[in-house]
Amino acid sequence: GENVEQHPSTLSVQEGDSAVIKCTYSDSASNYFPWYKQELGKGPQLIIDIRSNVGEKKDQRIAVTLNKTAKHFSLHITETQPEDSAVYFCAASSANTGGFKTIFGAGTRLFVKA
Amino acid sequence: EAGVAQSPRYKIIEKRQSVAFWCNPISGHATLYWYQQILGQGPKLLIQFQNNGVVDDSQLPKDRFSAERLKGVDSTLKIQPAKLEDSAVYLCASSLRTGDNEQFFGPGTRLTVL
Repeated sequence: GENVEQHPSTLSVQEGDSAVIKCTYSDSASNYFPWYKQELGKGPQLIIDIRSNVGEKKDQRIAVTLNKTAKHFSLHITETQPEDSAVYFCAASSANTGGFKTIFGAGTRLFVKA
Repeated sequence: EAGVAQSPRYKIIEKRQSVAFWCNPISGHATLYWYQQILGQGPKLLIQFQNNGVVDDSQLPKDRFSAERLKGVDSTLKIQPAKLEDSAVYLCASSLRTGDNEQFFGPGTRLTVL
């Protein structure tokens, strides 16, 4: 079945450094790629998304890149801050018989050390 | 704008007991999702509703799990009887419509089965 692989599972960076999280997906029909941030005791919250007709998107310190040929997409966080510490999930969404199905990666736990 | 509400936040039961979770989506959101998030993993879709109809329940263990969305607003997810492996966080999410658009997640219900 369809799956999304996410790496690394844990990432520790120094405050001010950059963090990169990478995902690959298997379903070539996937055309929507959201990234979610989940803090302890809360539900995931969308931080950025990208559609298949775009190769890159940026929002302040966060950027996402998509390589549809290689089925890779990545999240880049620059100038990391302690409040960026959380679990980050990538996801890939594609149409199915009833609507759209979203498959999530296993998550990356990001630690930003002050 | 109020977010997705879920209750209870925590539930502890013994195996073979039954349990029910409740979700109230964001007003006007046609699509409602129930996800299961096992510790250390990404959310896995259990069932997706479009208004009061089921769009996708292919991952729902129908021998013990059931869900309904009467009147196309609130939804309940039930487990009967519960097994140890059902211990997880159950997340409810809603979106304006199905497809490539943002899902808004509730805080989740943490279920522990002893």
